[in-house]
Amino acid sequence: QSVLTQPPSASGTPGQRVTISCSGRSSNIGSNTVNWYQQLPGTAPKLLIYSNDQRPSGVPDRFSGSKSGTSASLAISGLQSEDEADYYCAAWDDSLSGHWVFGGGTKLTVL
Amino acid sequence: EVQLAQSGAEVKKTGESLKISCKGSGYSFTTYWIGWVRQMPGKGLECVGIIYPGDSDTSYSPSFQGQIIISADKSSSTAYLQWNSLKASDTAMYYCARLRGGAGSWMDVWGQGTTVTVSS
Repeated sequence: QSVLTQPPSASGTPGQRVTISCSGRSSNIGSNTVNWYQQLPGTAPKLLIYSNDQRPSGVPDRFSGSKSGTSASLAISGLQSEDEADYYCAAWDDSLSGHWVFGGGTKLTVL
Repeated sequence: EVQLAQSGAEVKKTGESLKISCKGSGYSFTTYWIGWVRQMPGKGLECVGIIYPGDSDTSYSPSFQGQIIISADKSSSTAYLQWNSLKASDTAMYYCARLRGGAGSWMDVWGQGTTVTVSS
């Protein structure tokens, strides 16, 4: 069972807006920033959002992130077929000398 | 261009040892943390541990402490993930990734992954 909690699946139709939640605790999301990764089938994960709400160069502004307390969210607006992928949240956890924790991943289906 | 190039797929028997590699290029290898991430078949991402190649400072995730060894060679800009006695449950894809701004920052560049298959 993953330390960060994400819904296992999400779906939407092209053009819609979808959100994916990520819930943690005070030692991880409550104390540190959240990052989001996109993993297309058969490929390595790719950084999508860092430091809660920052987009790396090249990531469309359709993707946005937010954090409040011990929870975070990823929003995707103007959904496109190529957004069909697995999405993971991650945060540094301050417990036990510090280590990275991930969410279990959310499989996004574009209907 | 910043790149992390990982070693090729491995097929091993239970009880055997293994060392896989991750070679960095296009940046100062010794000044960024490197993380290792496991993905078991059909499952999610889990961080195995991280290493700072500059001084080999290492931090293992609790679930992996004592199970694996992370090391780095500054002279060849290469990080390693090592097992002394493989188990079937070590079968997974293993990714290395660079941590951009410090140990607790974010993984901005990822290797292509190394598939490890362990059978009896």
